[in-house]
Amino acid sequence: GAVVSQHPSRVICKSGTSVKIECRSLDFQATTMFWYRQFPKQSLMLMATSNEGSKATYEQGVEKDKFLINHASLTLSTLTVTSAHPEDSSFYICSASMDRATDTQYFGPGTRLTVL
Amino acid sequence: EDQVTQSPEALRLQEGESSSLNCSYTVSGLRGLFWYRQDPGKGPEFLFTLYSAGEEKEKERLKATLTKKESFLHITAPKPEDSATYLCAVQGEGSMRFGAGTRLTVKP
Repeated sequence: GAVVSQHPSRVICKSGTSVKIECRSLDFQATTMFWYRQFPKQSLMLMATSNEGSKATYEQGVEKDKFLINHASLTLSTLTVTSAHPEDSSFYICSASMDRATDTQYFGPGTRLTVL
Repeated sequence: EDQVTQSPEALRLQEGESSSLNCSYTVSGLRGLFWYRQDPGKGPEFLFTLYSAGEEKEKERLKATLTKKESFLHITAPKPEDSATYLCAVQGEGSMRFGAGTRLTVKP
């Protein structure tokens, strides 16, 4: 149980284009979904937290107009990187929490974004 | 500000050589301490949640313990397939905060 999927697993795009990443909870309803970014050999950095049907809460320093988050249902959240640049190249990972009482987050497999 | 420090940064063990990974933390109002395993190029895999000092949890060769200032992940008789980065995270009043991880390598 508690399976989270991400699509695509890998994407290469040209500078200036936008990229959408999907995150789905497959066997549970996620009260909250999270988006992280991870640089090589570094830990996870939280970008934003989203609850279904409401606006995402972004961490300090994360541009909300550049990283658009939509949490349309209890099983789907999307992250759109708008006007991507090479410095946006990174490993993006989503997670989902089913229960506010336990706070446990279940992570997706990640999406490797490369911007040329 | 909540902080999580993991040590050592990297650990190399021989197969069967037991050891412990440390996670020291400072947090406002601990709601939970989490251990995850991450393989290269993949998302973290959930291992344990600990909620209060004195709590212990076990899963196969892994055992996690918690005090008011730190948590240990004990690995008993590790196998090469236990090689991975082990991440510790704390959930306090703010957002979940992750440590930098311990990169474990188990040689056959």
